[in-house]
Parts: sequence; C-alpha cells; structure tokens
Amino acid sequence: EAGVAQSPRYKIIEKRQSVAFWCNPISGHATLYWYQQILGQGPKLLIQFQNNGVVDDSQLPKDRFSAERLKGVDSTLKIQPAKLEDSAVYLCASSLEEVWGYQETQYFGPGTRLLVL
Amino acid sequence: DAKTTQPNSMESNEEEPVHLPCNHSTISGTDYIHWYRQLPSQGPEYVIHGLTSNVNNRMASLAIAEDRKSSTLILHRATLRDAAVYYCIRQEYGNKLVFGAGTILRVKS
Repeated sequence: EAGVAQSPRYKIIEKRQSVAFWCNPISGHATLYWYQQILGQGPKLLIQFQNNGVVDDSQLPKDRFSAERLKGVDSTLKIQPAKLEDSAVYLCASSLEEVWGYQETQYFGPGTRLLVL
Repeated sequence: DAKTTQPNSMESNEEEPVHLPCNHSTISGTDYIHWYRQLPSQGPEYVIHGLTSNVNNRMASLAIAEDRKSSTLILHRATLRDAAVYYCIRQEYGNKLVFGAGTILRVKS
C-alpha cells in the first residue's frame, strides 16, 4: 500500500514570495490533515478536510495561508506572502474516515521542509 | 495545550526494555491516549493507543494506570531504529490530536 506522498521535499524562498505544497493521501482515505512543525516542537494542526469539505481550519492563518482539496483526493497548501516565521516542516496526513469523538489512526507523509530567507 | 507531561529526553541501551512515562492528570473518562513516534527526517508514525486497559501490538505495549492519570509506553527490546521522538497525546472526546514536544529517546549500542 502506497503511503502519503508529498512534494516538494525541500523548498527555499525569500520572504514575501509565495509557495505551494502538494499532498496525495493514501487511496481511499477520506480525511486529510495539514500540520506545521517548527523545529523542536510537535506538529500543529493547520487544517483538516473530510472529503473535499473543511472540518477544522481554526489554526490556519487565513490572511496568508490557503488550502484546497477540490476533488476529495489530493490537496494543496499555499502560503502567500511567506514570512520568516513560516520556516518549518509542513506535514500532510490522512486517515480512513472521520468518526465523531474518536481519532482514527493518522498516516503521515515525509513532509516538506520550507526555509524562508 | 497538549495536556500531557513527558520527560524531555531518555536514554536506553540496545536490546533492553524501555519505559516511556506520560502524565495526564486531568484526563476524563472518555479521553483516549495515543502514542506516535517520529524518526529523524520523517513524519510521525502511529505506535499504539488505548482507553482504559493495557494494550499490546507488534510495536509496543501501553500500560495505563488504574486511575488513568498516567501511562507508560513499553518497548520490549530497544533497537537503534527505535531512536526517535515519542509523543504521548491525550485526545479529548470530539477533539483533535494535539501534539506536545514529546520525549527524545536515544538508544546506545
């Protein structure tokens, strides 16, 4: 079974530029998550999709971050414009389905390491 | 707010058991305890989870205290490949997983 795919693996940009990350979840997984992981910290959830609908985006800085999952399969996370503090690893995860009250096992991709100069 | 407390780091010898503690003193009756680990330069991976009773799988065992205010992840024989950051996560009913800083496990050969 193929895992969660992410690209690119690394990205270096200058502040105020834009950047996009792509994620392809495990086939058949309805729920997709984007996390931000700053060096030395645990992952922080940015947004959660159930199929192509947003379940939770309360921690997404909406003035500069956007995400979409148009066909309920792969997803794109965009930052525009980037700031220095956006330097982090961006992780995508997927799970089989959203079951209210119970957290299904999440499967994570390798992440995209972003450096903003 | 991760709502769990873990040691910053621990060290173990190869081939020996490792007990990773986690404190979750404010846990309620419907909260699950999840453990994930993150190897260097990889995304986190699921290890085990439980609600009340002890749990075993091929990777590890999870021992949950009777009052559920603490739990211990047990790796029965640590290998160099087990060196990672281990996250203990308390999942409140209806809420998402919230990762803390975790415990860095170092394994010595």
